[in-house]
Parts: sequence; structure tokens; C-alpha cells
Amino acid sequence: EPEVTQTPSHQVTQMGQEVILRCVPISNHLYFYWYRQILGQKVEFLVSFYNNEISEKSEIFDDQFSVERPDGSNFTLKIRSTKLEDSAMYFCASSQGQSYNEQFFGPGTRLTVL
Amino acid sequence: GENVEQHPSTLSVQEGDSAVIKCTYSDSASNYFPWYKQELGKRPQLIIDIRSNVGEKKDQRIAVTLNKTAKHFSLHITETQPEDSAVYFCAARGTGTASKLTFGTGTRLQVTL
Repeated sequence: EPEVTQTPSHQVTQMGQEVILRCVPISNHLYFYWYRQILGQKVEFLVSFYNNEISEKSEIFDDQFSVERPDGSNFTLKIRSTKLEDSAMYFCASSQGQSYNEQFFGPGTRLTVL
Repeated sequence: GENVEQHPSTLSVQEGDSAVIKCTYSDSASNYFPWYKQELGKRPQLIIDIRSNVGEKKDQRIAVTLNKTAKHFSLHITETQPEDSAVYFCAARGTGTASKLTFGTGTRLQVTL
């Protein structure tokens, strides 16, 4: 069964450094998402992406964040200058279509900012 | 925007008993309500979902009910087993291109022997 994959599984970085989190969505999916989950808290929406552009973003997704689909398979989240409060688990998700279609989640990247 | 409330935050049941988790949502335009199970350190995995044009859906030991008028939906797990122990999240999804999921705060279910 196809799955969303993410790399790395764990990223440790110093405050102020740039990080890029990588995702490979399921191949025939058209809609892509990033969510984050601070330890012990709920999953929060960051951004959605469709047709090579951002569809929606939350207030968390400020100018320090960007997303890109550099080729036909990867979907990346970049944090330009990390802050301590960016420490969280970041989940990529993809969906075949909108509305009723299931969003499949990747295994997550645990980001630790020191 | 959408706001999803979830109760209880923790739930402990004995093996074989039933468990019920309740969620309310604020946006009447939301039309899709999935439930995810998340084991420690793992990804959220869909266990059941319901569309707004359906009042109830069942899959073996798991069922979900939706009351659109009251804007609440519930997860029912019968004959609970130790492997049901996990954190359960409800979510709501609206219309629109690439609609996001808005998650509840989660319920930690512990099934004891």
C-alpha cells in the first residue's frame, strides 16, 4: 500500500538556522499539506498546496516558512530562521481530491531547535 | 474559522467495555469528519470517517454518529481491547480547494485488563 514518506525522521538544529523538511506524497495525489504537533498537543494545520501554489495557510505559517514542490515527487517545508518554539513534530499529508477524500499522513519529522 | 472541541481528554475503560468520545464543531459549512488514532510517536491513522449527509456509520467495533443540527459527532468503540489504547483525534473539514483538517485536542484512551 502506498504511503507518504518523510525525511529526516529527526532533525536537531540551532536557533536561527534554516531547516528543510522533505516529504514524498503518494504518487497520484494532488493535494498536499503540512501540519505540526507540539509534544502532547493537537495537530495544527500549517499550509495546503494544490496546482503548484499555496491554497491556504494558517497564522502559524508566517514569512519564515515556505513550501515548494521542486519536482514531480518531493514536497518541502523550509523554515528560514528557526526559533525555539518551532520545536515540534511536522507531518506531511496528501490527498487524492478535496472534500471527502482521506488525508494520508507521513510518519513525521521531529524538529528540535536548541 | 473552524473550532473543534473534544471531550474527554483522558478516558480509562476496562477491556470489553465501551468507550465514547465526543466532539463539537463551530462551522456549519464543515462537511467531512474523520477520526484518527495516534499511537505514541507514530503518525495519525484514519480509523473511520463520516460525511455530512450521513447520520451514522459503523465499521466492526467502531461507529461514528453525526448530529448536524447540534454540530456534534461522536466516536463509539465497543468491546475495547488493550490495542485500542492510543490518542484519538476528531477533525472537521470544510469545503473549498485543498480544505484543511481542524483537529480536536485529542483523547487519551487507556484500556486496562
